[in-house]
Amino acid sequence: GQNIDQPTEMTATEGAIVQINCTYQTSGFNGLFWYQQHAGEAPTFLSYNVLDGLEEKGRFSSFLSRSKGYSYLLLKELQMKDSASYLCAVIGGGYQKVTFGTGTKLQVIP
Amino acid sequence: SQTIHQWPATLVQPVGSPLSLECTVEGTSNPNLYWYRQAAGRGLQLLFYSVGIGQISSEVPQNLSASRPQDRQFILSSKKLLLSDSGFYLCAWSEAGIDEKLFFGSGTQLSVL
Repeated sequence: GQNIDQPTEMTATEGAIVQINCTYQTSGFNGLFWYQQHAGEAPTFLSYNVLDGLEEKGRFSSFLSRSKGYSYLLLKELQMKDSASYLCAVIGGGYQKVTFGTGTKLQVIP
Repeated sequence: SQTIHQWPATLVQPVGSPLSLECTVEGTSNPNLYWYRQAAGRGLQLLFYSVGIGQISSEVPQNLSASRPQDRQFILSSKKLLLSDSGFYLCAWSEAGIDEKLFFGSGTQLSVL
């Protein structure tokens, strides 16, 4: 089966850097996604990692360690609009099955 | 370009009534299709996924069912809704054999009263 853990809530200051961690245990692994979801809206894609290492895309970066079952999403130069839930999702445990963690609600304060 | 349509956006239904939510994808063929549910303040729970017409995998035993009558059409149904069926329902698709990146519909907020 799949088990994905993320912190429930985090608070960070505008302009700062925040790291959101995700750990997972899966019966199979074919990649990990990060999605952003604003309240009442559908999730939107942020990043995809299938190999170990860091993927950088503008203010957002995502890291993966397959041996440790660990990923993090790094948000730099935080803006108020970054206040949202951040969802970690893993591909595996079944043919093309994508399973989500419960998400981390990030609040950016002035 | 590919687009996904999901309707209705909002639905209020009495307990015991039937349900039908529809999702269609345009601009691609043989997509993987998914139904997720998100309870208030909770994460996304995978309900069903499909890799082809008539091929449905169910993740959670419940009073919901899904069907894929056409390649790019995915339907979520119930014969009798329960209070616990309330939530935000999201349809999604991914391109088979690529990176499985999910593209979500705009969602249906279902309230069962």
